[in-house]
Amino acid sequence: AQSVTQLGSHVSVSEGALVLLRCNYSSSVPPYLFWYVQYPNQGLQLLLKYTTGATLVKGINGFEAEFKKSETSFHLTKPSAHMSDAAEYFCAVSHQYGNKLVFGAGTILRVKS
Amino acid sequence: EPEVTQTPSHQVTQMGQEVILRCVPISNHLYFYWYRQILGQKVEFLVSFYNNEISEKSEIFDDQFSVERPDGSNFTLKIRSTKLEDSAMYFCASSEEVSGNTIYFGEGSWLTVV
Repeated sequence: AQSVTQLGSHVSVSEGALVLLRCNYSSSVPPYLFWYVQYPNQGLQLLLKYTTGATLVKGINGFEAEFKKSETSFHLTKPSAHMSDAAEYFCAVSHQYGNKLVFGAGTILRVKS
Repeated sequence: EPEVTQTPSHQVTQMGQEVILRCVPISNHLYFYWYRQILGQKVEFLVSFYNNEISEKSEIFDDQFSVERPDGSNFTLKIRSTKLEDSAMYFCASSEEVSGNTIYFGEGSWLTVV
């Protein structure tokens, strides 16, 4: 079985500060990892994903995440927060043998001016 | 950019009534999904659908639920007799392939059972 833990249901940063959203996963098979973002009243939009290859993946809007197998982590970062980054962020895991995404509980990012 | 569209955006229904949630997946996609999110809880997988049949379903997806692709474009989720605990946001999604491919989500249908 697979699972995802997102540390911190709410994260608050100042505009221009580093954004770090934490995600740890559990998987008995090699994982595929995803970060989705949900803006108010909108659907889930893919930010980035890791399947195979380079462990540092870059996504949209300046976000990136690094797959660390030894730490079973896939933390999301952005060097400088922007007001428009305020949203809820979901980490999710699947694997090459199936198509079911297992989501974490989500982290609401607040950006202060 | 192609998108998954869902209707209705919000529906209120009486307990025990049947509800059909509709989705139009992205046109060249082959895999279709329903997920749901109860308020304050995680997004949960319900079912995946490929080649006109269910490929995987969760424990949540019991006999009260069914899915159908009635024509070449629509994908529906039917809840036969709604319960209060079915109140949730239901997300339709689609992907080109199964493994590692990006799953594109619609904006969701918010179902309130009263």
